[in-house]
Amino acid sequence: NAGVTQTPKFQVLKTGQSMTLQCAQDMNHEYMSWYRQDPGMGLRLIHYSVGAGITDQGEVPNGYNVSRSTTEDFPLRLLLAAPSQTSVYFCASSYSRDGGYGYTFGSGTRLTVV
Amino acid sequence: GNSVTQMEGPVTLSEEAFLTINCTYTATGYPSLFWYVQYPGEGLQLLLKATKADDKGSNKGFEATYRKETTSFHLEKGSVQVSDSAVYFCALSGKTSYDKVIFGPGTSLSVIP
Repeated sequence: NAGVTQTPKFQVLKTGQSMTLQCAQDMNHEYMSWYRQDPGMGLRLIHYSVGAGITDQGEVPNGYNVSRSTTEDFPLRLLLAAPSQTSVYFCASSYSRDGGYGYTFGSGTRLTVV
Repeated sequence: GNSVTQMEGPVTLSEEAFLTINCTYTATGYPSLFWYVQYPGEGLQLLLKATKADDKGSNKGFEATYRKETTSFHLEKGSVQVSDSAVYFCALSGKTSYDKVIFGPGTSLSVIP
């Protein structure tokens, strides 16, 4: 089925470890983004991309890296995991940044840093 | 800057009750307005949208009308079901390709039989 695929669904990391959260979409969307969702904080934008080779920071970029080598893939890298990065991470894509046709979200990655 | 305010939850209703979730916004110009729904354990899904004043978005029995004069986009449903239990997010965006979507904090709805 067409959509946004996130892997893994669950992950436990130790403080200081690194990992990559994968995000892939098959809708030929130019715009892709990463959010984290924390209780009482709503959705916060981490990084986004308006096309292959173009990325930019959102509201809470510290501790995360992204790259966009293809239209389909937008991985999120945690460099040195910290307990403050325990969260649910969502990848979203759209034809355009303004989301006129709506954002399509993945089902999320639940990350725990111990 | 642009912002979205939603009524605080959680909201608990009995099945077949009438639902209203309030949403107001602050924005320059004429933004597009959206409601997204997040079911337990899932990502957000677009529920409905409206792109200009007085437009009514509707889907799955939910409705919301774009009210420019009151800067509001309240979500309503005449008769809720247990399956409507979810978190609902109001959102807006400008209409240029540089504008991103701004999400409200979300309102949790629980419908009890």
